[in-house]
Amino acid sequence: ELKVEQNPLFLSMQEGKNYTIYCNYSTTSDRLYWYRQDPGKSLESLFVLLSNGAVKQEGRLMASLDTKARLSTLHITAAVHDLSATYFCAVDKDSNYQLIWGAGTKLIIKP
Amino acid sequence: EAGVTQFPSHSVIEKGQTVTLRCDPISGHDNLYWYRRVMGKEIKFLLHFVKESKQDESGMPNNRFLAERTGGTYSTLKVQPAELEDSGVYFCASSQEVGVTNEKLFFGSGTQLSVL
Repeated sequence: ELKVEQNPLFLSMQEGKNYTIYCNYSTTSDRLYWYRQDPGKSLESLFVLLSNGAVKQEGRLMASLDTKARLSTLHITAAVHDLSATYFCAVDKDSNYQLIWGAGTKLIIKP
Repeated sequence: EAGVTQFPSHSVIEKGQTVTLRCDPISGHDNLYWYRRVMGKEIKFLLHFVKESKQDESGMPNNRFLAERTGGTYSTLKVQPAELEDSGVYFCASSQEVGVTNEKLFFGSGTQLSVL
């Protein structure tokens, strides 16, 4: 059974700091997603990573994928308060959106 | 462009009652998905519609759950009778195609279901 583990599950940090969220998964997969959710809002797609070594960046967020290690990271650079949210990774084993989700990382960035 | 909308945003019912959740996908999106997040657990896939047909309903927990998508537009998810363990957030999502590189999945804001 495919499992996805995220860590940490909770992260409180100061503005201006850097940090990384980790996403490990247990079997091979076609694609990996990162989503963001603000309280009471939709899940917003951040990145889709398709191949080994893929790296994508949007503003202060950068996601990477190592399919050999079955690991994806979401790196936050010089965090700002607006990035406070819950971040999920999800693995799409067969490219059919039967997503297997991590538990989510609740990120709080203090001014 | 309107996003995926779900109704209601919150529902509080008693055990044994029936509840129907509705999802309106983005116009033109043939693919519609239901997921749910039970308290303290990960988000889980429930089922996938392509137009009005159920492509995959392997994630439906039991026969108390019935999903429909008549006419291939909006979808409903009925829980009858509801049990305590059905409490959670039910998400709907839609996409235009499946398996296409960089194709995005668009989510609604979810329905928070509380069964008392």
